[in-house]
This record gives sequence, C-alpha cells and structure tokens, in this order.
Amino acid sequence: AQKITQTQPGMFVQEKEAVTLDCTYDTSDPSYGLFWYKQPSSGEMIFLIYQGSYDQQNATEGRYSLNFQKARKSANLVISASQLGDSAMYFCATHYGSSNTGKLIFGQGTTLQVKP
Amino acid sequence: DADVTQTPRNRITKTGKRIMLECSQTKGHDRMYWYRQDPGLGLRLIYYSFDVKDINKGEISDGYSVSRQAQAKFSLSLESAIPNQTALYFCATSDRAVQETQYFGPGTRLLVL
Repeated sequence: AQKITQTQPGMFVQEKEAVTLDCTYDTSDPSYGLFWYKQPSSGEMIFLIYQGSYDQQNATEGRYSLNFQKARKSANLVISASQLGDSAMYFCATHYGSSNTGKLIFGQGTTLQVKP
Repeated sequence: DADVTQTPRNRITKTGKRIMLECSQTKGHDRMYWYRQDPGLGLRLIYYSFDVKDINKGEISDGYSVSRQAQAKFSLSLESAIPNQTALYFCATSDRAVQETQYFGPGTRLLVL
C-alpha cells in the first residue's frame, strides 16, 4: 500500500534562507505523481508543486523546487529565500490505488516557522 | 470568485443530528473529492466521484454518504453525527487531463457536541 512519511513535525528557518522539507514515499505503482501542498493557519490547502515519476527534471515553481530522488523514494521540497508568509504547515502527497483514480494519500505534515 | 466553494464554513451540531456539507466548483472539472483532516494530521479521503454517475468510497466512508447532484456540485452528509466526526472537511476537484492536481475548497470546520 502507498505511504507518505514526513519525519519533521516542525522546522524553523531564518527569513531569506533556504529550507528543505523531507518527504519519503512508498508505492508499487510504476507511474505516480508527487504533490506538495501548503496549509496556512487560515486552513485552506494551497497547491504548490507537482512531480511526475517519469519526469526527467526536478519540478520548479518560483521559489519552490522539488528534489526528486526516485531510487531513494524521496521527494523533498526546497523553499528558497524564505519569507514570513511561508510559515505554514506543508503536506506531501501521492496517488494511492492507481494513479488513474486521482486519489491522494497525505503525509502528516511539517510545520514551518520562518523567523524574522 | 473562488473556484471551489464550500458551505457552511463553520458548523456546530449535536450528536445524532443529520448534517449536510455542500461543495460547488466553477473549474469545470469532472472529478470531485471529500476529505477530512483531524488536528495535527494529514487529510484522509472519504468519498470521490469521477462524474455524476460514478461515486466511490474512500479510506474512511463509514458514517458518511454523498450525492453528486451535478457536475459542479458534490455534497457530503453525516446521517447521524457523532463527536469523533469533529474535523475540518475539504472538498477538492481535479481534471484528469492535467496531472491530476487537486484544487481544494476553503474547508468546513465541523464541531459535533
């Protein structure tokens, strides 16, 4: 069965520095997607970035990049030049069941606090 | 205007009451989902629907039912609410043609007393 593990319950980073949030996954599907979502204190879930298992290059979206290491089943989120508004909870997710179903399974999340 | 809306945003109810949470979307997506989030945890899938006639159970469907009234509307019902259904509920949509990225509504905070 698919599984997402986020081992960092909480992280601190100084404003303007880079931070890496860890995510490892376990899936037997040959084709899958990996997602990162941000949940600020207001509660909404904001899509940040997507990586397909067959994508040759790591995904990037502005200050967000996904460090995808397929052999290690790792999909870490890198936030460059942290801003105060980056303080939030971050969730890693992947498909469960077949990727055709679109169903997602989420990790337990990492709370990031950006210090001024 | 938001692409995915949920009503109500907050609700307090009593044990045994029937309650319906509603979700509407203007994204034109075929697929819709209901998740719940418990404090300090990730989201878990309750039900999902690929179109009006295709509804499927997720991980934790017991105690819940759904209705897909139209492509744009997907409702979640708690037939007889119990306190451990207190949670944050999210509706999401996706377009299978676009990487299956799911777009979430703002959430409904439900408290069952």
